[in-house]
Amino acid sequence: DAGVIQSPRHEVTEMGQEVTLRCKPISGHNSLFWYRQTMMRGLELLIYFNNNVPIDDSGMPEDRFSAKMPNASFSTLKIQPSEPRDSAVYFCASSLQDDYEQYFGPGTRLTVT
Amino acid sequence: KQEVTQIPAALSVPEGENLVLNCSFTDSAIYNLQWFRQDPGKGLTSLLLIQSSQREQTSGRLNASLDKSSGRSTLYIAASQPGDSATYLCAVSRYKLIFGSGTRLLVRP
Repeated sequence: DAGVIQSPRHEVTEMGQEVTLRCKPISGHNSLFWYRQTMMRGLELLIYFNNNVPIDDSGMPEDRFSAKMPNASFSTLKIQPSEPRDSAVYFCASSLQDDYEQYFGPGTRLTVT
Repeated sequence: KQEVTQIPAALSVPEGENLVLNCSFTDSAIYNLQWFRQDPGKGLTSLLLIQSSQREQTSGRLNASLDKSSGRSTLYIAASQPGDSATYLCAVSRYKLIFGSGTRLLVRP
């Protein structure tokens, strides 16, 4: 298996623009997680899906952030409008079930100017 | 609220040394504990997963232990090599991972 796939790997955008990050989990995995990593706050969970259903979105910072999982093989994280403080590395991870080992994608490095 | 602490924050050792990285957590109600490695500018690589019912796991030169009652885990690296240089993160799980801030390891040739 190719592992968790994320795109784009790097994104540079201007404040106010819409940003969409994409994730393809490992085939057969039922749980998908979006994390954000910053120097100040480290790694934090944004949202978690189980069987395509959002279970916990308490980490989503504000209404500008939204996530979807239309099917078992694809998820998006959207930021609209983007702000400079959203600059971070965004990781997607998947696991067989929600308490199993999590496998991380390579991340998307987002820079908002 | 679960908090995860890793000590030390940074460690520099000569090649060949055995070393121990520490991780502590405040809430013992966890499903499992996972150790990761992160190279600069890269993603996270899972090293070891210890289920809450287990005491330790081993993979090659790595051995991780878990003491739920005291809220502690250690990652032991035997015969360290320069290629082991990276940031090591521990994370505890109750479906979602709560991460420590990591230990930045440098193994000097």
